[in-house]
Amino acid sequence: EAAVTQSPRSKVAVTGGKVTLSCHQTNNHDYMYWYRQDTGHGLRLIHYSYVADSTEKGDIPDGYKASRPSQENFSLILELASLSQTAVYFCASSDSSQNTLYFGAGTRLSVL
Amino acid sequence: AQSVDQPDAHVTLYEGASLELRCSYSYSAAPYLFWYVQYPGQSLQFLLKYITGDAVVKGTKGFEAEFRKSNSSFNLKKSPAHWSDSAKYFCALENTGYQNFYFGKGTSLTVIP
Repeated sequence: EAAVTQSPRSKVAVTGGKVTLSCHQTNNHDYMYWYRQDTGHGLRLIHYSYVADSTEKGDIPDGYKASRPSQENFSLILELASLSQTAVYFCASSDSSQNTLYFGAGTRLSVL
Repeated sequence: AQSVDQPDAHVTLYEGASLELRCSYSYSAAPYLFWYVQYPGQSLQFLLKYITGDAVVKGTKGFEAEFRKSNSSFNLKKSPAHWSDSAKYFCALENTGYQNFYFGKGTSLTVIP
């Protein structure tokens, strides 16, 4: 079964530290996305990618970098984590022919 | 600019009642519209989508949604509601041709047994 796997599932980070969230998909999808979920804001797009070795900015890219080294893998990098980046992060993939997002289980990040 | 509005943050009803969750959108072109559901402690799951064609689209778990171009709405419906429908529901719009998806803030639905 096609799947999107995120790691870690939860993480506690210190302010100013570096955090890397990883995402792996077996859907053979071209598109991958990083969203964050905050109470009162729904899901907001951080970065996305439609091909390996290329990433695009979403609506809220500040403070985040993304990396797509292969079709299957998409990472979100917080170089200097801040308190405001405490949230749940979702990775998703999609096939342009289906227009449907497949989400990972999410990563709960707490920055202290 | 595109946007999705879900005006009701919370909806509560009794099991057996009909449910309707509201969604309105703003988009300059023909929209692709979606509903996703998030059960407590879980990730988001696809429910249904409207791309073109019939205004009423049916999805999983007995849900359907009606696309109304006249008032830019895409409301989610189900009758009767079941306690297991308690979850958070998100309406989304695709930036057509760009594969970008924009989500509303979600509606938390509580169905009382």
